[in-house]
Amino acid sequence: AQKVTQAQTEISVVEKEDVTLDCVYETRDTTYYLFWYKQPPSGELVFLIRRNSFDEQNEISGRYSWNFQKSTSSFNFTITASQVVDSAVYFCALSDYNTDKLIFGTGTRLQVFP
Amino acid sequence: DADVTQTPRNRITKTGKRIMLECSQTKGHDRMYWYRQDPGLGLRLIYYSFDVKDINKGEISDGYSVSRQAQAKFSLSLESAIPNQTALYFCATSGLAGTLSTGELFFGEGSRLTVL
Repeated sequence: AQKVTQAQTEISVVEKEDVTLDCVYETRDTTYYLFWYKQPPSGELVFLIRRNSFDEQNEISGRYSWNFQKSTSSFNFTITASQVVDSAVYFCALSDYNTDKLIFGTGTRLQVFP
Repeated sequence: DADVTQTPRNRITKTGKRIMLECSQTKGHDRMYWYRQDPGLGLRLIYYSFDVKDINKGEISDGYSVSRQAQAKFSLSLESAIPNQTALYFCATSGLAGTLSTGELFFGEGSRLTVL
């Protein structure tokens, strides 16, 4: 069975701190996609990144970076120099390759204080 | 205008009432999904559809039904709403049938349902 675990329910940091959100997944598929979504207080889901299972290169986008390690089935998300606007719930998700069904983790609520 | 539109965005209703949440999309996608979000539980799949004649149950389909009226429209119904169906509901779309999966879902803005 496929599963995504986000063990950190809530994280609080002070602005400018770096923060890493953990994501561990389980799947028997050899081809799959991993995602991170952001849900700000307004409620919509904002797509952040998609990663193909064949591409283990880490990715950096501005203050955001992602570390994908198949050996540990992890896809962690780091925000560098956090800002108040980063306060949101962040979801990691795993895609079923055949159906595009997304299996979501339970989310990590990040609070960034000024 | 949003590519995936959900109506209503907010609804308060009473136990036992029939409720329909509607989703329409302009992305030309064949695949459509309904998810439910509860605090601390993430998003869970209720139903999904690959085309107009295809309906599939997700992990929490009990108490819900769906209708795929057209390629662009996918409605979720609660025949007799109960309080534990109070949640935020998301519609999503992805891809074209017969094409390689890109894995990415496109979400609507959500419909907040409260059942009293």
